[in-house]
Amino acid sequence: KAGVTQTPRYLIKTRGQQVTLSCSPISGHRSVSWYQQTPGQGLQFLFEYFSETQRNKGNFPGRFSGRQFSNSRSEMNVSTLELGDSALYLCASSLVPAGTEYEQYFGPGTRLTVT
Amino acid sequence: DAKTTQPTSMDCAEGRAANLPCNHSTISGNEYVYWYRQIHSQGPQYIIHGLKNNETNEMASLIITEDRKSSTLILPHATLRDTAVYYCIVRSNFGNEKLTFGTGTRLTIIP
Repeated sequence: KAGVTQTPRYLIKTRGQQVTLSCSPISGHRSVSWYQQTPGQGLQFLFEYFSETQRNKGNFPGRFSGRQFSNSRSEMNVSTLELGDSALYLCASSLVPAGTEYEQYFGPGTRLTVT
Repeated sequence: DAKTTQPTSMDCAEGRAANLPCNHSTISGNEYVYWYRQIHSQGPQYIIHGLKNNETNEMASLIITEDRKSSTLILPHATLRDTAVYYCIVRSNFGNEKLTFGTGTRLTIIP
């Protein structure tokens, strides 16, 4: 079974631009979560989607948004990029968002550099 | 804020058992203990989780104390490929709670 895939793997953008990152969960998984990882702040939760609905949201500004499609694929968008948005963005999928089979499986991440 | 406390770093000799402790003194009755690890430049990898009984899988064993205030992840025969940051996370399996990662333990396997 294929793992979580994220595209693109690397991205360079300039301040003020916007970016869209994509995540395809493991086949059959319906829950997708997004995380931001930086050296200073560690792994921080962005949001979680299940059945095309946002179930949970972390403490990030409104410039960070996401959505999930009917096939469970998810995208996240960051508008008006700032230098501090440079990070590894990780997507994780799980069968369901709660219950005993909650364990999340992470993709390789998209490394975003904002210049 | 993370609900767990872990040592910042640990070393273990190759071939020996690596025992990684985690304190979660405020854990509540419906919260599970999850362990993940992250090898440099890769996404975190799920290892194991448990509620109150000890658990074992092909990767590791999880020992949870009777009062559930601490746990230990055991890698029975550590290899160089086990060098990674190990995260201990406490989370309820019900409701809308997110996974909160702390700073983890950087485990270095020494040849």
